Amino acid sequence: DIVMTQSPDSLAVSLGERATINCKSSQTVLYTSKNENYLAWYQQKPGQPPKLLIYWASTRESGVPDRFSGSGSGTDFTLSISSLQAEDVAVYYCQQYYSTPITFGQGTRLEIK
Amino acid sequence: QVQLQESGPGLVKPSETLSLTCTVSGDSVRSSSYYWTWIRQPPGKGLEWIGYIYYSGSTNYKPSLQSRVTISVDMSKNQFSLKLASVTAADTAVYYCAREGLMPRRIDPWGQGTLVTVSS
Repeated sequence: DIVMTQSPDSLAVSLGERATINCKSSQTVLYTSKNENYLAWYQQKPGQPPKLLIYWASTRESGVPDRFSGSGSGTDFTLSISSLQAEDVAVYYCQQYYSTPITFGQGTRLEIK
Repeated sequence: QVQLQESGPGLVKPSETLSLTCTVSGDSVRSSSYYWTWIRQPPGKGLEWIGYIYYSGSTNYKPSLQSRVTISVDMSKNQFSLKLASVTAADTAVYYCAREGLMPRRIDPWGQGTLVTVSS
């Protein structure tokens, strides 16, 4: 199985400031023949199921605010929130779909400082 | 709008079989465009993909669970189901059903989830 490791485990950022979450895979998730990274990001608020934010490492899902962006390639990826809003408090997960079984990172808890 | 809803017992005894059903509305389990997937989340922990079923009946399970898992589909009711045999306390979790794309294998939408506790 591909192991996904996120850092940090938790993060506190001031409102309006930038938040950055990292995700590292134990092997590449770049499908070179298609030049696509098989990586997605999800947001999970308390008591709710995860919500898809980004796929192909950097493509925002429809309806996701443009303050959310994804970057990276190969084994190292980043989710950034450009200007933190109160409603962004949540746990964020990366997910690889390069190989089965699909695997997720352990999650990063984002709070307001 | 596609919606999924899990149903089933919230309490299962150790060594017994956990059984859950997911009812899909706004889409069809006959669709060739998606997998129908189960994922679980132990209380306070991360997400674990269990497996999926495709409209053709083909399945794909997480290898470490494969010996205990069965996912099936009932097209007449637009439902799919999860059975997990020989459960232990380690199987206590919120179980989610979801729709998974063929490629990209993005998971959306998810059901609200149902907590299953394994306890005598």
